[in-house]
Amino acid sequence: AQKVTQAQTEISVVEKEDVTLDCVYETRDTTYYLFWYKQPPSGELVFLIRRNSFDEQNEISGRYSWNFQKSTSSFNFTITASQVVDSAVYFCALMRTSGTYKYIFGTGTRLKVLA
Amino acid sequence: DSGVTQTPKHLITATGQRVTLRCSPRSGDLSVYWYQQSLDQGLQFLIQYYNGEERAKGNILERFSAQQFPDLHSELNLSSLELGDSALYFCASTTSGAGYTFGSGTRLTVV
Repeated sequence: AQKVTQAQTEISVVEKEDVTLDCVYETRDTTYYLFWYKQPPSGELVFLIRRNSFDEQNEISGRYSWNFQKSTSSFNFTITASQVVDSAVYFCALMRTSGTYKYIFGTGTRLKVLA
Repeated sequence: DSGVTQTPKHLITATGQRVTLRCSPRSGDLSVYWYQQSLDQGLQFLIQYYNGEERAKGNILERFSAQQFPDLHSELNLSSLELGDSALYFCASTTSGAGYTFGSGTRLTVV
């Protein structure tokens, strides 16, 4: 069975602090994709990153960085120098590379960045 | 604009009624997915269509149905609505299996 766990339900930080959102997944597949999406208060789902299971390189995009560790089945997301605009719910998702390509979403982490 | 268009954005209806949610996929995308986001169930996969044919079903109730038309737009029909059907319904489209683009969602409120 496939499963994505985001144990942090809600995190509050003060602006300019760094924050890491945890994502742990379970799958028996050897190849898969992992994703992070942001859902701001307006409700849409904004794509942040896709990672192929073969690619364990960490990635940095501006203030965002992702740490993928296959050995621990984790795909954590760090925001450096957080800003109020980062306040949103963040979802981690897992997708198989064959079959229906449906997403298995985690329950999300609500991030509140306080000014 | 993601390229995936969902209408209407908001819908308020009474229990027992039927509604239709519409999704126009991104140009060139053959697959359409429907997801439901409710407070208690989170984001759940409902159903997938590929080029007009149903490909996979997830946690979709029997009161719900969907279809994809020859022009590739899709409709999600929700009938005999209950209070618990209140949710944000997302449509997404893709051509490949490498992830997809979500629409902005339809927020359904059943009163």
